[in-house]
Amino acid sequence: AQSVSQHNHHVILSEAASLELGCNYSYGGTVNLFWYVQYPGQHLQLLLKYFSGDPLVKGIKGFEAEFIKSKFSFNLRKPSVQWSDTAEYFCAVNVGYSGAGSYQLTFGKGTKLSVIP
Amino acid sequence: GAGVSQSPSNKVTEKGKDVELRCDPISGHTALYWYRQRLGQGLEFLIYFQGNSAPDKSGLPSDRFSAERTGESVSTLTIQRTQQEDSAVYLCASSLRTGPSDGSYEQYFGPGTRLTVT
Repeated sequence: AQSVSQHNHHVILSEAASLELGCNYSYGGTVNLFWYVQYPGQHLQLLLKYFSGDPLVKGIKGFEAEFIKSKFSFNLRKPSVQWSDTAEYFCAVNVGYSGAGSYQLTFGKGTKLSVIP
Repeated sequence: GAGVSQSPSNKVTEKGKDVELRCDPISGHTALYWYRQRLGQGLEFLIYFQGNSAPDKSGLPSDRFSAERTGESVSTLTIQRTQQEDSAVYLCASSLRTGPSDGSYEQYFGPGTRLTVT
């Protein structure tokens, strides 16, 4: 079964600092990759996703992620964070099962980002 | 438009009691998922429904857990004889599902039900 590792449990940055959150997955086949964000008191929402094509994916609010197949990684980046980026970030992967047909997401444990004004 | 809704938002129950959690997916979304998030953990997949197909129950942790879905609408997750380790946030998600190659479709999440078993 696939698994997802997020290397940082809690990241604290000052505003305008650059951000990179690590995500590695374990699965040898074709995957779809996602970053979800949960702002305080809000639902999980999609930041960006990769399923094919250009490995550099741009999402909402200036976030981007790069899929590096050889490293099984999908790191999230933002050049300059804002206080409003304070949230918990989850990396997730799904694979195309032909059996049960379930596109269940496998999530990492999440990284809490605190941005200090 | 309306998103995924879940009820109740919070539920406190005594060990050994049964609980029922409800999810209303986005209208027109044929796929529905239940996940569980225990404190300090990522989300764990529980069960998946797609139309009239047999559900994928591979994530259910024990036979105390069951779920139903009526057509492409409301789903209920039932936990019988609750245990303290069942305390978690239970999240429901729905997505469009139109064919076999649609794993890229976004799953939209509800606000969750926080279950506390005392």
